[in-house]
Amino acid sequence: DSGVTQTPKHLITATGQRVTLRCSPRSGDLSVYWYQQSLDQGLQFLIQYYNGEERAKGNILERFSAQQFPDLHSELNLSSLELGDSALYFCASSVEYPPDTQYFGPGTRLTVL
Amino acid sequence: GENVEQHPSTLSVQEGDSAVIKCTYSDSASNYFPWYKQELGKRPQLIIDIRSNVGEKKDQRIAVTLNKTAKHFSLHITETQPEDSAVYFCAATRGNTPLVFGKGTRLSVIA
Repeated sequence: DSGVTQTPKHLITATGQRVTLRCSPRSGDLSVYWYQQSLDQGLQFLIQYYNGEERAKGNILERFSAQQFPDLHSELNLSSLELGDSALYFCASSVEYPPDTQYFGPGTRLTVL
Repeated sequence: GENVEQHPSTLSVQEGDSAVIKCTYSDSASNYFPWYKQELGKRPQLIIDIRSNVGEKKDQRIAVTLNKTAKHFSLHITETQPEDSAVYFCAATRGNTPLVFGKGTRLSVIA
């Protein structure tokens, strides 16, 4: 157990819908990262938050957004869902600096039908 | 930005043999290089990491080497076991930027 939690574990929804994925970082970690992993694909970085502020953006679609709350948990919002959004979504947390280990949560498997 | 290339994409070895996975990076300012192991449907788990001030690091059957001049680093697994079968990802960062991952290597250890 990495100490990073994610809910829900599985999510099945229809095209055009909107979903929210939730992540709680390890105690003491200020940075949260979101990644998307499609079938047999690598880890695509979406977005990073540090202590409530957006720190870095990767290949995140405009239909996707995220935020980090004062208690440091983070939510990833996916809207106008398409079939191609079906994937595993991981969040990870770290102390960020100096460069340190990113610990991954168990992931949320999103299936869009 | 950083770009990480990882080879090979698939690797099959006999149980007890060694496995080597290689990664190259493009940003000479990168200074932290972790390796993650991901079993099917599970989270990526850190297995070993190395910082730019170190050339080699070992942890039991796993070792990582770093060549800063050539900008490449490698994962070495000795005495492979069936439970080593998984996808392995390398990554790199300069510390104030997110990790950039390689595309992964699917390792199969044949008993």
